[in-house]
Amino acid sequence: GQQVMQIPQYQHVQEGEDFTTYCNSSTTLSNIQWYKQRPGGHPVFLIQLVKSGEVKKQKRLTFQFGEAKKNSSLHITATQTTDVGTYFCAGYFGNEKLTFGTGTRLTIIP
Amino acid sequence: SAVISQKPSRDICQRGTSLTIQCQVDSQVTMMFWYRQQPGQSLTLIATANQGSEATYESGFVIDKFPISRPNLTFSTLTVSNMSPEDSSIYLCSVEGETGAIETQYFGPGTRLLVL
Repeated sequence: GQQVMQIPQYQHVQEGEDFTTYCNSSTTLSNIQWYKQRPGGHPVFLIQLVKSGEVKKQKRLTFQFGEAKKNSSLHITATQTTDVGTYFCAGYFGNEKLTFGTGTRLTIIP
Repeated sequence: SAVISQKPSRDICQRGTSLTIQCQVDSQVTMMFWYRQQPGQSLTLIATANQGSEATYESGFVIDKFPISRPNLTFSTLTVSNMSPEDSSIYLCSVEGETGAIETQYFGPGTRLLVL
């Protein structure tokens, strides 16, 4: 079946350090979305990437979609305590169902 | 964006019983989904709740265990039947909406279920 894997599963960083999570799909994606889930909360949409090689930025967050549209990354520069949470990528494989990645749980050490 | 509420927010249930979770949206939506998120895990789609017809279930989920109703475009229920401890999870409903020109999913706050 269609799977979306993320690495690492967990990441602990010192406040101020950078953080990156990688998302890999077994097959080509129509587009990819990123969600953030704060501890005890629900997933909240961050961004969508559609084009091959696309790069988008939101303040300290940089999102990238691979050339083959099978992988993506989220990079956070100079992490802050508010960045704590689990980051999920999610992709459409050409149907209407969103498949979520395994997630990366980010912990910030003050 | 859509505002979604779920009831109950949490519950503790005995094995063998059933729990019905309600999901209410503040606007009419076509696509409504039910997800399960086991502790520390990702989201797994249970089914798509279709208005006026039977829900579409994903592999591994069956109607007898997770009956779903969708009487109108703003409301749906998910029942977890004959519960066992393995059903302890967060159950989330979501709807498809638009953020700008992009179709995204908006999630309810979730129902935290513990089965003893």
